[in-house]
Amino acid sequence: DGGITQSPKYLFRKEGQNVTLSCEQNLNHDAMYWYRQDPGQGLRLIYYSQIVNDFQKGDIAEGYSVSREKKESFPLTVTSAQKNPTAFYLCASSRGDRGPNSNQPQHFGDGTRLSIL
Amino acid sequence: DQQVKQNSPSLSVQEGRISILNCDYTNSMFDYFLWYKKYPAEGPTFLISISSIKDKNEDGRFTVFLNKSAKHLSLHIVPSQPGDSAVYFCAARGGGGSNYKLTFGKGTLLTVNP
Repeated sequence: DGGITQSPKYLFRKEGQNVTLSCEQNLNHDAMYWYRQDPGQGLRLIYYSQIVNDFQKGDIAEGYSVSREKKESFPLTVTSAQKNPTAFYLCASSRGDRGPNSNQPQHFGDGTRLSIL
Repeated sequence: DQQVKQNSPSLSVQEGRISILNCDYTNSMFDYFLWYKKYPAEGPTFLISISSIKDKNEDGRFTVFLNKSAKHLSLHIVPSQPGDSAVYFCAARGGGGSNYKLTFGKGTLLTVNP
């Protein structure tokens, strides 16, 4: 089955720790994204990557870092610099950004809920 | 500055009736609009989309209408079913042909009563 897998589903972090959230897709999508959702809020873009070895900051990138070494994988690290990391984190992917494929929706994983101990 | 607004936090309808979810936007550069459905503790599921060059798109029980002059879109679900109960998010993509950035509304909780 093709899809987007996020792990773990629940994650706890101690103060001052970095944690890494995993996102893997087998949809052969070029673009991948990380969003954050807070209670009663819409999704806000953290980082996105349109192609391997390239990524761009979204609206709320401070305190986060990413890498895109493989097409299938786009891990997100929540660093100790992120002062309010408790949230629901969603990874998404989509087909190419240009030409006839440009009107393609983003498809989402099931999310990781991060909490601070 | 909220560029995509879903002004109704919740909506309740009877099974079999029509559900109408509304979304307003302010950025005239948005060129592609999407609706997602989300259950608790799960990721959003894509439902239906519409390009800014169209005013209607239909897929089974779901129809999206776009009124560009009013900067308004709506999602119609007919007939509504209890399984449609979920949070519905409206999203809009920035102009310029880039798929990278979606701006989401805060969502509307739809409850379909049997």
